[in-house]
Amino acid sequence: QSVLTQPPSVSAAPGQKVTISCSGNNSNIGNNFVSWYQHLPGTGPKLLIYDNDKPHSGIFDRFSGSKSGTSATLDISRLQTGDEADYYCGTWDTSLSAAVFGGGTKLTVL
Amino acid sequence: QVHLVESGGGVVQPGRSLRLSCQVSGFNLTKYAMSWVRHAPGKGLDWVAVLSYDGTKMFYANSVRGRFTSSRDNFKNTLYLQMNSLTTDDTAVYYCARTFTSNWTDALEIWGQGTLVTVSS
Repeated sequence: QSVLTQPPSVSAAPGQKVTISCSGNNSNIGNNFVSWYQHLPGTGPKLLIYDNDKPHSGIFDRFSGSKSGTSATLDISRLQTGDEADYYCGTWDTSLSAAVFGGGTKLTVL
Repeated sequence: QVHLVESGGGVVQPGRSLRLSCQVSGFNLTKYAMSWVRHAPGKGLDWVAVLSYDGTKMFYANSVRGRFTSSRDNFKNTLYLQMNSLTTDDTAVYYCARTFTSNWTDALEIWGQGTLVTVSS
């Protein structure tokens, strides 16, 4: 069971928008920065968003992040079939003295 | 160009040891914290360990604390993960990753391609 909670899957049609949620507590999301990663099979994960809402260099503006209290969200707009991947939120957990990830969300572009 | 290349994976019996390496290039290893993250078949990303930029602080996931040790050789630009008392639950692709800055709590900016560790009798 992951420390951070994400929906197992989301889906939408090309051109539409999806939101992936990530829920934690005050030991992790509530008091630390959140990052988001895209993971395609057979490759290393790719940083999309860091410090809650900053897009990493080279990341399209279709990807955006936000945080409120102990939850964070990743929005992906104007969906493309190439966006199909697993998406993870991550942060530091001060109580655990460890980095933690969400369980991952599989995005399907119908 | 920044690159991370993991090696050392393979098939190992339960209870045995294995050492993974992560050769880095394009940046100074002493200026960044470095993490290990694994991905088991059918499961999500699982953070394993982080080594501070100066090598003086190490943090580990509960599942590996006492069995795994992260270290580095600045002259060889290489990060290591010594894994002892391996169990089948350690079977995964292991990635090394560089943090955004020297802060070990930062996002993981650069990732390698991973090396597969299979623990099986």
